[in-house]
Amino acid sequence: DAKTTQPTSMDCAEGRAANLPCNHSTISGNEYVYWYRQIHSQGPQYIIHGLKNNETNEMASLIITEDRKSSTLILPHATLRDTAVYYCIVRVANNYGQNFVFGPGTRLSVLP
Amino acid sequence: GAVVSQHPSRVICKSGTSVKIECRSLDFQATTMFWYRQFPKQSLMLMATSNEGSKATYEQGVEKDKFLINHASLTLSTLTVTSAHPEDSSFYICSAPGREGYTFGSGTRLTVV
Repeated sequence: DAKTTQPTSMDCAEGRAANLPCNHSTISGNEYVYWYRQIHSQGPQYIIHGLKNNETNEMASLIITEDRKSSTLILPHATLRDTAVYYCIVRVANNYGQNFVFGPGTRLSVLP
Repeated sequence: GAVVSQHPSRVICKSGTSVKIECRSLDFQATTMFWYRQFPKQSLMLMATSNEGSKATYEQGVEKDKFLINHASLTLSTLTVTSAHPEDSSFYICSAPGREGYTFGSGTRLTVV
């Protein structure tokens, strides 16, 4: 699986959009970009994933650059409950025999 | 959506005793279950992969005789920490492939005293 790099930490004001970047310059054509988050002392929670088109769901939007070498997770209106570690992971989809490899992620602090 | 129920959420045990952690897939069949360990302020590290009806595969450095994994059915995988020691204190998390990405259990905080 391609390696990703994310900032160690970010702050965001409550109610504002949180934009979390991820670089994955060695991503392969069949690898998806997945985002998970982990709130303190809980298991990781799936947020969103995409291949090359931008994606949006009830939690977030995922913007993938045209060359697919980087992406941004957008939480449109961050709340205090969005404070968590956010993990960007790239991997082949539907490869159920392979685990997700977690890097250090980005620690997002939403400030009141 | 796919749900993995993990139990117990936290356990304190005495050094030398064994602890069993259960992960159940509630609304889907999990032929594969991944077990992770997470130490404070660190990321998740894969310990082992269990497959229903066959032996688990362990990551390098993980003692298979200490961390016993059983995946006897399509909805239940268990991890038993045998002869636990304080250095085994950690956050243990299971995960199974779901429809969208993988679904993770809520984790088990193990403290060995």
